[in-house]
Amino acid sequence: NAGVTQTPKFQVLKTGQSMTLQCAQDMNHEYMYWYRQDPGMGLRLIHYSVGAGITDQGEVPNGYNVSRSTTEDFPLRLLSAAPSQTSVYFCASSYYRDRRRGMNTEAFFGQGTRLTVV
Amino acid sequence: KNEVEQSPQNLTAQEGEFITINCSYSVGISALHWLQQHPGGGIVSLFMLSSGKKKHGRLIATINIQEKHSSLHITASHPRDSAVYICAVALRAGGTSYGKLTFGQGTILTVHP
Repeated sequence: NAGVTQTPKFQVLKTGQSMTLQCAQDMNHEYMYWYRQDPGMGLRLIHYSVGAGITDQGEVPNGYNVSRSTTEDFPLRLLSAAPSQTSVYFCASSYYRDRRRGMNTEAFFGQGTRLTVV
Repeated sequence: KNEVEQSPQNLTAQEGEFITINCSYSVGISALHWLQQHPGGGIVSLFMLSSGKKKHGRLIATINIQEKHSSLHITASHPRDSAVYICAVALRAGGTSYGKLTFGQGTILTVHP
């Protein structure tokens, strides 16, 4: 099992460029998430999805788009990169552990994408 | 004020020492997670707790729901335990939090031989 796979691992962009961070999971998990990690800030939720065709905003969604056309894939698009988007991005997935209690399983994380915007 | 606070932010220990990292939260939760991140590496889930105590090898995690507090203990610490340890909570929001996590800022642990 590959788990959660993110590509690329490293990327440098110029201000104003656009790009897509790829995320794929092979565990048939319903839920997928994009987080960004910044020094002194901890990880913060950008967008998430509760299933194919369903996405919603997290805490810091501005400047990012997502889509979920299949259960496996959850790409994150930067529309017009800005230096403030320099960060490490993590994709994660989970599934329902206890529907009665509304509890998900532990999250499975990808290896991260280190993005620098100059 | 952050919803999830960890202490200490930095921790240095000698090999063999008993280590404790604390996590306090200010909201209702459905579960608390302890995660490990090695330098330049990905994030791995160590524990998910909704009550009581869990043990895996030299790692022990406890949670006190009434006091909104959790601790991660490492017994007989080793240099390979050097990593960032992150506490995260799944908030209780209506029926479900959909597994969304709110994170503490992490504790940087360095264990010297």
